[in-house]
This record gives sequence, C-alpha cells and structure tokens, in this order.
Amino acid sequence: QKEVEQDPGPLSVPEGAIVSLNCTYSNSAFQYFMWYRQYSRKGPELLMYTYSSGNKEDGRFTAQVDKSSKYISLFIRDSQPSDSATYLCAMISANQAGTALIFGKGTTLSVSS
Amino acid sequence: DAGVIQSPRHEVTEMGQEVTLRCKPISGHNSLFWYRQTMMRGLELLIYFNNNVPIDDSGMPEDRFSAKMPNASFSTLKIQPSEPRDSAVYFCASSPTTSLLGRGYTFGSGTRLTVV
Repeated sequence: QKEVEQDPGPLSVPEGAIVSLNCTYSNSAFQYFMWYRQYSRKGPELLMYTYSSGNKEDGRFTAQVDKSSKYISLFIRDSQPSDSATYLCAMISANQAGTALIFGKGTTLSVSS
Repeated sequence: DAGVIQSPRHEVTEMGQEVTLRCKPISGHNSLFWYRQTMMRGLELLIYFNNNVPIDDSGMPEDRFSAKMPNASFSTLKIQPSEPRDSAVYFCASSPTTSLLGRGYTFGSGTRLTVV
C-alpha cells in the first residue's frame, strides 16, 4: 500500500458545481497537509496547507483534515473553468529539515463552461 | 525572483546515452528536491539535499541515477545509461530550511525526458 492514496479521476463537472477531492494516508506520523495545483505542462504550485485536524478556508477553497480517519479533502465551491488542473495532496511528518513531502498521484479535474 | 530554473525543458535521447538534468534553486533556499512524475506512479521523490548535503537518496531507482549539489545555486541529476523506462517529467523543487508552511516547495517547470 502506498503511503498516500488519491483517486486519479478524471473528474468532470459543469461550471458552478461543488467539487470534492480526497486523499487517504497510512502513516499516522503525518501532521502537515497540503494541496498543490498543477496546470498542464507546469510544475505544481501550493494551493493550501493545514496542520493536524480541522478545516481551513481560503476563498472558494476549503481544506479538511480528519486525522482519526487518515483522510483529507479539498472542496472547491462555484468551480470555474480556470480550476481545470490536476490537484495533488501532499503531506509531511514534521516541519523541519531532513523531511520531504510525500505526494498523492493527483486527481485531474475538468470544469466545463 | 526568477523561481526554480530547470534545463533543458525537453530532452530526447537514445537508449544507452548519458542524460544530465540541471536545476538552479531559488536564492536563499537551503533545501533542494528532485522528483519524477509519470502517469502510472505520480510524483515520486528521488533525492533531496539540505545545505548541499544529500539527506535521503532512497528514492533513486538504480545505480544508473546519480545527483550532485556542488554549491547552493546548482544541482544536477544524471542518468547513465538511460533506458526507455526512464521517460518521465523530472521536477526540481526548493524550499527554505525553515518556514516550510505557507510557502511549501517551489517547483521548476520540469524537464520532459524521452528515451527512445
């Protein structure tokens, strides 16, 4: 079993829909959780991060972490065609040198106008 | 800030040839990471450096792969000899040693490697 599991999709939704993207993980040592967005032929860019369990909201984006279930989610409200990209979850056990982010495989999202 | 700079953007080479990928991290970033991305396996960590010192190379697939960071502003990933299964997009990323959160890693645009 990979440390981080993410459904690759693809996921296709109409403009304005609410999108839910999810990852599960097996390593209970993970404490910091991030979501990256990657446009075609570009490098991933940090979208959101959270620490431990709970919710974090930034505009149309909400990140949720449930450490008891080892499950994280990213919600996108009022989705736009510009949200079409691959979304990768990432996690790390400690915020210090000597550790590295572990990524999910990414979910490809397409928002049609 | 020019970001993380990778070269070349595209590389097509024949099986058995040596391939060298290059990366210039963001000035002041002390950690540098090499990742490989494929459809099948996603984004895999190959090796990372902290203050120019390799910390973990357990993700390097074989002895054919090697990476160096001779100074704070330059790193190379070398494949010798290359094989078709090495075809992938190779990303370099850098981050400050501290203050990881809020900024995360900054990725370069990647090198798309095709071995024929």
